[in-house]
Amino acid sequence: GIQVEQSPPDLILQEGANSTLRCNFSDSVNNLQWFHQNPWGQLINLFYIPSGTKQNGRLSATTVATERYSLLYISSSQTTDSGVYFCAVFGVGGSGSRLTFGEGTQLTVNP
Amino acid sequence: DSGVTQTPKHLITATGQRVTLRCSPRSGDLSVYWYQQSLDQGLQFLIQYYNGEERAKGNILERFSAQQFPDLHSELNLSSLELGDSALYFCASSVGSGVGELFFGEGSRLTVL
Repeated sequence: GIQVEQSPPDLILQEGANSTLRCNFSDSVNNLQWFHQNPWGQLINLFYIPSGTKQNGRLSATTVATERYSLLYISSSQTTDSGVYFCAVFGVGGSGSRLTFGEGTQLTVNP
Repeated sequence: DSGVTQTPKHLITATGQRVTLRCSPRSGDLSVYWYQQSLDQGLQFLIQYYNGEERAKGNILERFSAQQFPDLHSELNLSSLELGDSALYFCASSVGSGVGELFFGEGSRLTVL
């Protein structure tokens, strides 16, 4: 099946700093989503972005499907941004029946 | 609020027991997915139903079963529970099957003692 790799696995920032999280995938995709799992365990949709660029406030994402990667940008980070960020993809064909998750990036934002 | 409702939010039970987790998808969504998140396995796909029929199966144990009812809610049944089944179980829904955005419920946290 499709492989999803996220980097870095851990990231520690001071409040106000910017960061870039990366997601690489091994095959063509029909769907790519970024999620934030907060300390209470909730999975919050950030972006549905199989291709192109989207922005939502301090967050933006870019997916370059032809090169099989996606980037999540967090600007002016806040302590409430802490948690785990997951990239997940629906592959094409046989892998298209389920959303496959990466291992996540654990983000800690210190005040 | 994603619009996906899961009950119960927390459940504590003993080894060997059986539990049922319930999921109501977002209005208009036909697909329901179940995922398990444990500390050592990450988010693992279990099973998908689309409009009442099983559509895809992942790493779901034989002790686990699921179904989707005519009103599109779904139940995940976990039996002969073991300590290793302790995990956060998520339900997600989407309009179609295989494409489109998935929305996740808040999860059911199962603790097996």
